[in-house]
Amino acid sequence: AQSVAQPEDQVNVAEGNPLTVKCTYSVSGNPYLFWYVQYPNRGLQFLLKYITGDNLVKGSYGFEAEFNKSQTSFHLKKPSALVSDSALYFCAVRLDNYGQNFVFGPGTRLSVLP
Amino acid sequence: DSGVTQTPKHLITATGQRVTLRCSPRSGDLSVYWYQQSLDQGLQFLIQYYNGEERAKGNILERFSAQQFPDLHSELNLSSLELGDSALYFCASSVDWDHGELFFGEGSRLTVL
Repeated sequence: AQSVAQPEDQVNVAEGNPLTVKCTYSVSGNPYLFWYVQYPNRGLQFLLKYITGDNLVKGSYGFEAEFNKSQTSFHLKKPSALVSDSALYFCAVRLDNYGQNFVFGPGTRLSVLP
Repeated sequence: DSGVTQTPKHLITATGQRVTLRCSPRSGDLSVYWYQQSLDQGLQFLIQYYNGEERAKGNILERFSAQQFPDLHSELNLSSLELGDSALYFCASSVDWDHGELFFGEGSRLTVL
């Protein structure tokens, strides 16, 4: 079955330190991977996506993600965290099928401490 | 601004009642998705439409129904409401080619008292 895992419910990091939010996936065929961020009482905002090409994808607000096919991972990273990065982060995969074609991970809450 | 519009933003109603949530997708997007999110939890996929036709169904209760109209806007109908139906309901839209991303509306917060 197609699935997306985010092994950490919560990630805490100090402001100015690098951050990583982990995502692994299990899909058949080529994965099309996405990261979204959700601030309190807001909709999900698109951060970045991997479709093909360079394994390092750069996105909004200084975020980047690294696609690793052998480890089936797509970890979200940022070199220097800001308090304003505190939010809920979702990893998702888009499938090449006719039915439900987006699968979301359970989300990881990031807290950046001042 | 994602371009996806949801109304109403907030809705308070009583158990047993029926409500309708409305979504206008981004201009040009043919696919509409509905999700439920309870108490900052994960997203529960409810249903997906493509150009007026149901394409996929997720964990949608029989008390809930949806449709997509010829102008591509969509409505989610929730009936016989229970306390547990209190949640944020999100609509999202996407193009159906080029492996495009989902664009989410700001959600409709439903409170059932």
